[in-house]
Amino acid sequence: EVVLTQSPGTLSLSPGERATLSCRASQSVSSSYLAWYQQKPGQAPRLLIYGASSRATGIPDRFSGSGSGTDFTLTISRLEPEDFAVYYCQQYGGSPLYTFGQGTKLEIK
Amino acid sequence: EVQLVESGGGLVQPGGSLRLSCAASGFTFNTYPMTWVRQAPGKGLEYVSGIGTGGSTSYGDSVKGRFTISRDTSKNTLYLQMNSLRAEDTALYYCAKIYRSGSPFFDYWGQGTLVAVSS
Repeated sequence: EVVLTQSPGTLSLSPGERATLSCRASQSVSSSYLAWYQQKPGQAPRLLIYGASSRATGIPDRFSGSGSGTDFTLTISRLEPEDFAVYYCQQYGGSPLYTFGQGTKLEIK
Repeated sequence: EVQLVESGGGLVQPGGSLRLSCAASGFTFNTYPMTWVRQAPGKGLEYVSGIGTGGSTSYGDSVKGRFTISRDTSKNTLYLQMNSLRAEDTALYYCAKIYRSGSPFFDYWGQGTLVAVSS
């Protein structure tokens, strides 16, 4: 099983600042199969980034993804108030077919 | 507009059964793989099960042998039959559409249906 470890667990920042979220895999993951989701309280997750670096439809360009192998990063260039949420990385492949990281909570400082 | 509407959740005793449904609309249902993902209260996301366009299925380790996923393309509906339920199956169950075959990401999600397993 590919285990995804996200860090930090909680990130406290102010609007306008830059956020950098990390996702580390226990074994190499194809970049094609790495995604990021955003989840706000009481809502379903929303796909942000797929293929490690491609933005999903309608996602603002302040969101960007990068990385390869075992280390992946989600960057939010300038935080807007609506960006404060929980973020999950997800990979495809192996058994089980999909695994998620445990999440990073991005909170207002 | 893509819509996924889950139903069938509720309170069930340990060892009991429940069948979840997910009514899909706004896309050609039989041409996309579909999945179930769950989220225990206050916890993260966990893959439960998936089904391909040809009917191939996969399961998370914690539900293998107890849950069965299926789809009825004539009704545009995804199902999850859950048997031998345990307290640790308590969660909000989401159905999610796969972006496309070969791009295994969840681009649309329902709002979830809550399953509570308790005596």
